[in-house]
Amino acid sequence: DAGVIQSPRHEVTEMGQEVTLRCKPISGHNSLFWYRQTMMRGLELLIYFNNNVPIDDSGMPEDRFSAKMPNASFSTLKIQPSEPRDSAVYFCASSPGEADTQYFGPGTRLTVL
Amino acid sequence: GQSLEQPSEVTAVEGAIVQINCTYQTSGFYGLSWYQQHDGGAPTFLSYNALDGLEETGRFSSFLSRSDSYGYLLLQELQMKDSASYFCAAYTGGFKTIFGAGTRLFVKA
Repeated sequence: DAGVIQSPRHEVTEMGQEVTLRCKPISGHNSLFWYRQTMMRGLELLIYFNNNVPIDDSGMPEDRFSAKMPNASFSTLKIQPSEPRDSAVYFCASSPGEADTQYFGPGTRLTVL
Repeated sequence: GQSLEQPSEVTAVEGAIVQINCTYQTSGFYGLSWYQQHDGGAPTFLSYNALDGLEETGRFSSFLSRSDSYGYLLLQELQMKDSASYFCAAYTGGFKTIFGAGTRLFVKA
């Protein structure tokens, strides 16, 4: 079985550029989560979806961040414009139920110069 | 506020047993999960306790006491490959999980 798939695995961009991170959840999972991990702040929940509908985006740091889930097999997290403080590892996770058991993708390491 | 407390670091010897504690303070609580994360890797689900008591999965066991807002992860027969960060996470309902800051486990030969 394929796990959660994320792309790209690494992204290096310059400040002010638009960044789009992609995620394909495990087939059959109806909940999807976006996290950001840094040494300083640990693992932060940004937004989560259930059945493709955003449930809570209160963790999204600023209006520069947006996320979509147009269908059950694809989600994007977009940062526009990007800033150096956005540098982090971004994880996507999916769950067959609510949030008690989550399966994480390999992450996207984002570096904003 | 909502928070989970766990030690920042634990060191143990190969072959030994180590316990990683987690106390939580949340407005809602349905259960406690544990995740393992190796350097450069993604968090990997280990266990979930919804009820009080001990759950055993191979060398790993997880315990929950809801009355004490406390849980622990027990790792037996430690191996070098167990060196990683371990996160406790409280499921508070409504699709929301709050993660602790993680405990870095160092296993020495």
